[in-house]
Amino acid sequence: GQQLNQSPQSMFIQEGEDVSMNCTSSSIFNTWLWYKQDPGEGPVLLIALYKAGELTSNGRLTAQFGITRKDSFLNISASIPSDVGIYFCAGPSGAGSYQLTFGKGTKLSVIP
Amino acid sequence: SAVISQKPSRDICQRGTSLTIQCQVDSQVTMMFWYRQQPGQSLTLIATANQGSEATYESGFVIDKFPISRPNLTFSTLTVSNMSPEDSSIYLCSVVGTGAYEQYFGPGTRLTVT
Repeated sequence: GQQLNQSPQSMFIQEGEDVSMNCTSSSIFNTWLWYKQDPGEGPVLLIALYKAGELTSNGRLTAQFGITRKDSFLNISASIPSDVGIYFCAGPSGAGSYQLTFGKGTKLSVIP
Repeated sequence: SAVISQKPSRDICQRGTSLTIQCQVDSQVTMMFWYRQQPGQSLTLIATANQGSEATYESGFVIDKFPISRPNLTFSTLTVSNMSPEDSSIYLCSVVGTGAYEQYFGPGTRLTVT
C-alpha cells in the first residue's frame, strides 16, 4: 500500500521560532491533509490541500501541496507552547478511496 | 464539522474479555471509520462501518476479533473481542466531512489490557 514518510520524527524548538516539517510519498497523492494530535485527544484537522502547488494558511500555520504531488510541507510561524503535539500528514489510500493513509507523525516540543 | 463522542473514554480490561466502544455523531454521516493507534504509533485503519451492511475490514483485521455495528447514520460500535495485552491502544472513530476526503475524529477510547 501507499506509505507516507514524515520528517523530522521529532523536534525541539524555542518558543517564538518557526517550524518546518514535511511529508513525502513514492506515489502521487491528489489530496494532502495535516492533523495535530494533543495528548489524550483525537487528531484535529488543520489544513486540507487539494491542488498541486496550492499554498493554504490557517492562522500561523501554512501548508503547501508539492508540485510533484509526492510531497507536502507544513510550516508553523512564531511557535507557542500550545503548538506542542504530534503532527500527522495523511492522504487517500487509493484512487477514489475515502480511506486515509497516515504518516508516522512529527512530535513537536516547544521550550518556553 | 460534526461533533463526535466516544464511550468509554478509557478502560482497563482483563485478558480474554471483550469491550464495546460506542461512537455517536451529532448529524447523519455516510462514511464512518474505525482506527487503532498503538502506543507511540500512527493511526491504522481497522474498518469502514457501513450502514445497513457488514463492515469492510482492512488487511490484518477480522470480523471475529473486531465486530462492528452501524445501525443508523449517527451511531456505530466497535467491539474488541477476546482481548490480549497487544490490544492495548487508542481506538478512534472518524467521519467524512463536507470536504471530499476530510475526516473528523472522535476523542478516542484508551484501552489497557492487563
